[in-house]
Amino acid sequence: EADIYQTPRYLVIGTGKKITLECSQTMGHDKMYWYQQDPGMELHLIHYSYGVNSTEKGDLSSESTVSRIRTEHFPLTLESARPSHTSQYLCASSDVMRGSQETQYFGPGTRLLVL
Amino acid sequence: KNQVEQSPQSLIILEGKNCTLQCNYTVSPFSNLRWYKQDTGRGPVSLTIMTFSENTKSNGRYTATLDADTKQSSLHITASQLSDSASYICVVRPGGGNKLTFGTGTQLKVEL
Repeated sequence: EADIYQTPRYLVIGTGKKITLECSQTMGHDKMYWYQQDPGMELHLIHYSYGVNSTEKGDLSSESTVSRIRTEHFPLTLESARPSHTSQYLCASSDVMRGSQETQYFGPGTRLLVL
Repeated sequence: KNQVEQSPQSLIILEGKNCTLQCNYTVSPFSNLRWYKQDTGRGPVSLTIMTFSENTKSNGRYTATLDADTKQSSLHITASQLSDSASYICVVRPGGGNKLTFGTGTQLKVEL
């Protein structure tokens, strides 16, 4: 079991609210990722970070923003939530082992419902 | 465009039976292929990883195969248990890249 945590696990909020999804890992990994996953669909990378003060947008356009002030934390923020943001959000971190053997460890996910 | 396709989309089997899940990919160049197990409401957990030179790899009752020539992989589950009920996701890493390509998964349900 990987030491990566996400809070909250479930969140139901109204349209227009600002929310922050928390992700923290205690493995000292430099690389962290946020994925969005809809039911029955593949994971889509929305943000990633290769270290403190480094953040990049992923393949899937997202209205969310991220920050990486500390190695262990990688929070994701939605300034104004909309029903289209309803989804499961998965955080992951990775070590670097022999180049191609990098392993991503996933948190349990946050299931978000915007009404 | 890099793609990973998995089949079947869903599968129901009886406890104790074997099953095989398929993964076809078009990712090029290829670095490695990983199978993840994702329980409902949880994040994916890595089962196996295979590089270009590996044909088969086992992890307990899970055995993955890779044919890099035909760009196909399979995950065989032996003597299935109720706890094997989950989504199994095939993930391919391109050579020289960090962004993974995920399949949509096969939803497996093991019943008594």
